[in-house]
Amino acid sequence: EAGVAQSPRYKIIEKRQSVAFWCNPISGHATLYWYQQILGQGPKLLIQFQNNGVVDDSQLPKDRFSAERLKGVDSTLKIQPAKLEDSAVYLCASSLGGTGANYGYTFGSGTRLTVV
Amino acid sequence: AQSVTQLGSHVSVSEGALVLLRCNYSSSVPPYLFWYVQYPNQGLQLLLKYTTGATLVKGINGFEAEFKKSETSFHLTKPSAHMSDAAEYFCAVGRAGNMLTFGGGTRLMVKP
Repeated sequence: EAGVAQSPRYKIIEKRQSVAFWCNPISGHATLYWYQQILGQGPKLLIQFQNNGVVDDSQLPKDRFSAERLKGVDSTLKIQPAKLEDSAVYLCASSLGGTGANYGYTFGSGTRLTVV
Repeated sequence: AQSVTQLGSHVSVSEGALVLLRCNYSSSVPPYLFWYVQYPNQGLQLLLKYTTGATLVKGINGFEAEFKKSETSFHLTKPSAHMSDAAEYFCAVGRAGNMLTFGGGTRLMVKP
């Protein structure tokens, strides 16, 4: 099966500019997550979608970050305006859900954002 | 609420030596536990997971981990380190339908 697709792979922007990242989850995975991984730290959840609805966005800096999953499949994460501290790898993951041994959770390769 | 603590941000072993990466968790419900590996400039790759059943879990590349409920631990081990094991390792706790909470990571260095 195809994995979680993310683009672009790398992005360099100046502070105060805007940027958008795209994610296409594994086919059939209803749950989609965006994580932020700052260098030297573990990933931190930004937002979780179930189909096209938001389940948890408590850690999303809503004054500058937004995300959508309009048709319940692919998703876009936007930052506007970007700050230097937004430099990080943005990881998308999707989950099949289920329980026990059937539980699945797959990450994409990530988008490395550098804000200068 | 759930949290993960990885003891030791850096671990160095000699090639052929035992690898032991420590992970302790807290969770208000029976947890699902994961170990991921991350190579430079790459995404997270699942090494192994515990969701139910046998508490000793075997993963890829010769790694295994044991879920010890009484110790709230899920330490990762490998009997003999290889140079290619050098990477960042993340322990995570989750539950069906919910997000994963990650530890801060442990960088494994393997000396020749």
